[in-house]
Amino acid sequence: AQSVTQLGSHVSVSEGALVLLRCNYSSSVPPYLFWYVQYPNQGLQLLLKYTTGATLVKGINGFEAEFKKSETSFHLTKPSAHMSDAAEYFCAVRDDSNYQLIWGAGTKLIIKP
Amino acid sequence: NAGVTQTPKFQVLKTGQSMTLQCAQDMNHNSMYWYRQDPGMGLRLIYYSASEGTTDKGEVPNGYNVSRLNKREFSLRLESAAPSQTSVYFCASSASLGTNEKLFFGSGTQLSVL
Repeated sequence: AQSVTQLGSHVSVSEGALVLLRCNYSSSVPPYLFWYVQYPNQGLQLLLKYTTGATLVKGINGFEAEFKKSETSFHLTKPSAHMSDAAEYFCAVRDDSNYQLIWGAGTKLIIKP
Repeated sequence: NAGVTQTPKFQVLKTGQSMTLQCAQDMNHNSMYWYRQDPGMGLRLIYYSASEGTTDKGEVPNGYNVSRLNKREFSLRLESAAPSQTSVYFCASSASLGTNEKLFFGSGTQLSVL
């Protein structure tokens, strides 16, 4: 069975600093991987996804993630944090048995001025 | 551009009361979903509807029922609410139950069961 682990329920970075949010997955087949973002009092929205092909995936708002099969990881990065990036970020992997998403517990990103 | 609309936004129930959460999408999507979000647990799928006329159980269906009323609408019913059902509920839709379809979410319903 597939699963997703997000390391760190809260991550705090200074404005302008590198953002790194960690996601590890388990899957017996090539995974389809996703990052979603949830701003306060809103629903989730897709940041980026990996299905096949290029392992470095670029998303909205300057975020990108790299699929590393050898490390079973799909970490999310952004070179320079903005205050507007403060949100909760969820990593997810597709369940091949029913095409549903299996979600990580989420990481709340805090930006310090 | 309404997208996915959920009502109500907030609700307080007493144990044993019933209620229905409404969800409608205007994107002509085939697939719709109900999730609950609890602190530290991410999203858990309650029920989904791959297409009009079909519904399937997700990870945590106990205590809930759903109706896919038509292509636009997918409702979630709590027949006898319990405190364990205190949560934030999200409705979502996607074009189809495919391999990499993007999910569109509503803004959520915050439900408290006392």
